[in-house]
Amino acid sequence: GESVGLHLPTLSVQEGDNSIINCAYSNSASDYFIWYKQESGKGPQFIIDIRSNMDKRQGQRVTVLLNKTVKHLSLQIAATQPGDSAVYFCAEKGENFGNEKLTFGTGTRLTIIP
Amino acid sequence: KAGVTQTPRYLIKTRGQQVTLSCSPISGHRSVSWYQQTPGQGLQFLFEYFSETQRNKGNFPGRFSGRQFSNSRSEMNVSTLELGDSALYLCASSLASGGYEQYFGPGTRLTVT
Repeated sequence: GESVGLHLPTLSVQEGDNSIINCAYSNSASDYFIWYKQESGKGPQFIIDIRSNMDKRQGQRVTVLLNKTVKHLSLQIAATQPGDSAVYFCAEKGENFGNEKLTFGTGTRLTIIP
Repeated sequence: KAGVTQTPRYLIKTRGQQVTLSCSPISGHRSVSWYQQTPGQGLQFLFEYFSETQRNKGNFPGRFSGRQFSNSRSEMNVSTLELGDSALYLCASSLASGGYEQYFGPGTRLTVT
C-alpha cells in the first residue's frame, strides 16, 4: 500500500542557517505532494505544494524539490527563524479516482536554536 | 477571509456515547476532508465531501460517518465511542475535490474516558 516516510524524526538548526527536511514516498503513481507545518496546539498550516510534472517549486523562504526517480521529496527553509520551529509533514496524493486522498508522513520536528 | 473553523474545540465523552463534530470551511470552498491525528498513527484520512457527496473514504469503521450541507459546512459523527477514538480531529477545506491545497482548521480534541 501507499506509505510516506521521513528520514529523520528530529532536526535542530541554528537560527539563520538553512534547513532541509526530507521525505520518501513509495507510490510512484502519486501526482501531487504537499508540505505542512504544525505548531503545538494548532492544525497543520499549508506551506507549499508541487505536482509530479515539476521537480522544483519556490515560495517565500521555502523550496520544495521532487525527485521522482528515487521517490524523494524535500523541503528547504532558508534563513531559519525561531518561528520555524514546528513539526513538518509531507503528504502525497494518489492519482486514481476514489483514491484521491492525502497520505501523510509521520512528521519531522524542527527546532531552531537561537 | 476567515479560515476553517471547528466546533467544539474540546470534548470529553464516555465510552459508548456518540459525538458530532462540526466544521465550517473557508468561504467558497466546496470540499471538506476529515482527518484523525494521534501520536501513534499520525494523520489519517477519514473521508472527503464535495458538493454534499462523499468523494473519498479512508479505512475507518462504519462508526465514523459524516455529511455535508448545501452551504458546504460539514459534520462528522462517531457512534459507540471507544477509548481509542481519543484524538485530535481535523477538518480541511479546499476549492476542489481530491486533496489539492487543503487548509486545516484548529481541530477538535476528543477525549474518551
